Amino acid sequence: DIQMTQSPSSLSASVGDRVTITCRASLSIDNYLNWYQQRPGKAPNLLIYAASTLQSGVPSRFSGSGFGTDFTLTISGLQPEDFAIYYCQDSYEIPYSFGQGTKLEIK
Amino acid sequence: QVQLQESGPGLLRPSETLSLNCSVFGYSISRGYYWAWIRQSPMRGLEWIGNVYHSSRSSLNPSLESRVSISIDTSKNLFSLTLTSVTAADTAVYFCARQSSATGSYSRWFDPWGPGTPVTVSS
Repeated sequence: DIQMTQSPSSLSASVGDRVTITCRASLSIDNYLNWYQQRPGKAPNLLIYAASTLQSGVPSRFSGSGFGTDFTLTISGLQPEDFAIYYCQDSYEIPYSFGQGTKLEIK
Repeated sequence: QVQLQESGPGLLRPSETLSLNCSVFGYSISRGYYWAWIRQSPMRGLEWIGNVYHSSRSSLNPSLESRVSISIDTSKNLFSLTLTSVTAADTAVYFCARQSSATGSYSRWFDPWGPGTPVTVSS
């Protein structure tokens, strides 16, 4: 199985900050990488698919990049509603794998 | 707007069989897409269980496939998860989701998701 490793596991930031979350795959997965946001008690919500394509309705302050094994999710200008847990997910092969999550907290 | 809703028992005893349904609203599942089950627990994080196509073809996580089956009922517009011989390790929130893909690509993503249903396995 492909292992997805996110860093950092947790991150403190302030409203208005720019933050970057990293996801590393245990082998090359081309651009088959998606990002989700999960708020407490809710289901994950798709932010970005195919590494860099913004899902319809997602604010443009979210962006994704990367190819192969290393990927990043960037949030430019944090808003109060952005404090949540973020997950990456690969779809290169079955079983599809998720990262362990990055918890973004208010500083 | 497509919406999904899980339903099923919240509490099981060890060795029992878990059966969950996912009802789909706002889209006829006979038209296409893969439909997936995913679970989340503090111990294992988010774990893809498997998916099913409207033709009833399914793909399963090899770590669970000896105990899992996923079926689809286009007449009721729902798909179902069956997990046999449950243990405490199967305690989790179970989500259903639509699996989308890019044409000519292996890129697959999950959107939308149901709200999730908690399942506890305890004697």
